[in-house]
Amino acid sequence: KNEVEQSPQNLTAQEGEFITINCSYSVGISALHWLQQHPGGGIVSLFMLSSGKKKHGRLIATINIQEKHSSLHITASHPRDSAVYICAVRAGGGADGLTFGKGTHLIIQP
Amino acid sequence: DGGITQSPKYLFRKEGQNVTLSCEQNLNHDAMYWYRQDPGQGLRLIYYSQIVNDFQKGDIAEGYSVSREKKESFPLTVTSAQKNPTAFYLCASSIYRGRADTQYFGPGTRLTVL
Repeated sequence: KNEVEQSPQNLTAQEGEFITINCSYSVGISALHWLQQHPGGGIVSLFMLSSGKKKHGRLIATINIQEKHSSLHITASHPRDSAVYICAVRAGGGADGLTFGKGTHLIIQP
Repeated sequence: DGGITQSPKYLFRKEGQNVTLSCEQNLNHDAMYWYRQDPGQGLRLIYYSQIVNDFQKGDIAEGYSVSREKKESFPLTVTSAQKNPTAFYLCASSIYRGRADTQYFGPGTRLTVL
C-alpha cells in the first residue's frame, strides 16, 4: 500500500512569499494529484501529473518519478491562497481510488 | 451547470440508525467514489464504482454499503455496524477510460451521530 507523506503540515507566510509544499510517496504510481480544500470542506483538483511539470496561473507542480517526490509551488502568494493543500496518488491505471496525504494547512497573512 | 451534488450538507442521526447519503452527478462520468475524512487524517476510500451495477470495496468499507443502479447516482448507506460514523463524507467522480483521470469532488456531507 502506498504511503503518502506531505511536508510541512502547517505553514504560515506573508503575502507575496514563494511557497513550496512537498509530497513523497513509497510505491510507483500512474498519477499524482494536487488538491485544494477550503474551510467549507469543498475540494478542487489543481493538477494531475504523471511526469515533468505543470503550471496554472501562480501555481506550479513538479514531479520526479525516480525520486518518488512532487512539489507544489505558489508564486506571489495571496491571502486567498489560504487553504489545505492535499497530495494524492493513484497506483494503477484503473478507476480505483486515490491514496491521500494528510494535507498541508497554509495560511497567508496580509 | 455540470457538477456533483451531495445532500444534505449537515446530517444528524441517533446512534444505531442507518443513514443514506446522496451523491448525484451530471458529468456523464463512469466512475464514482466515496471518501471519508477525519480530523488530522487524509481522506480514505470507502467504496468505488467503475460502471453501473458494479462496485468495489475500498480501504475502509466495513459498516458501509452502496448501490449503483444509475450512472448518475451513487448513494452511500452508513449502517449501525459502522463503529465511528461521525465524519465528513466526500463523493467524487471521474471519466474512466482505462487510465487515470482528474477526480471531481462534491461539496461533502458532514455526518454527526449523537
